[in-house]
Amino acid sequence: AQKITQTQPGMFVQEKEAVTLDCTYDTSDPSYGLFWYKQPSSGEMIFLIYQGSYDQQNATEGRYSLNFQKARKSANLVISASQLGDSAMYFCAMRERRTGANNLFFGTGTRLTVIP
Amino acid sequence: DTAVSQTPKYLVTQMGNDKSIKCEQNLGHDTMYWYKQDSKKFLKIMFSYNNKELIINETVPNRFSPKSPDKAHLNLHINSLELGDSAVYFCASSQEDRDHYGYTFGSGTRLTVV
Repeated sequence: AQKITQTQPGMFVQEKEAVTLDCTYDTSDPSYGLFWYKQPSSGEMIFLIYQGSYDQQNATEGRYSLNFQKARKSANLVISASQLGDSAMYFCAMRERRTGANNLFFGTGTRLTVIP
Repeated sequence: DTAVSQTPKYLVTQMGNDKSIKCEQNLGHDTMYWYKQDSKKFLKIMFSYNNKELIINETVPNRFSPKSPDKAHLNLHINSLELGDSAVYFCASSQEDRDHYGYTFGSGTRLTVV
């Protein structure tokens, strides 16, 4: 079964608008972490934001926020005030602690295009 | 200073050859990883090393072998390269109980097998 699902292969957003990138996950581990990464066309993987399963508040980092709905097993990324430089692939990932391994499971990604 | 550096950035080689990709991290992290990103951009774990111990080995062909001479290095050796090995390979590192800092990735090595 897919551990991380990103249902939006591509998204478009107008510059300066907000956009939500969807991510749902599947785990029976009560302790896990959720990550979002950005991959611009240059290819590097840039860490954006992290949410722990026991964190009471939604994570925020500058213009990035994570809409964490534990009961629905969703961890959507919200980018506010989109900029042209936000155009990139965005990956959601999860780390389960129960297995003792530190592996990150990635979703298939969403390609975001910011329109001027 | 680059936190996770991998070399080479590009690698073009013929089928059947043996090649290596090097990775070094200067973050003092205790775990290092190799990921493969295929042509559809899907990232999949290949190996991870924690304190020089292999703790994950997904269903990767045994032509691929990780080598960790010390905590700061995790090299990837590939024998008898095949066309299907063409991909981008990422090295990464992390520190236990510091997930909020994220996993740090290298810039990737684009391997092309011809």
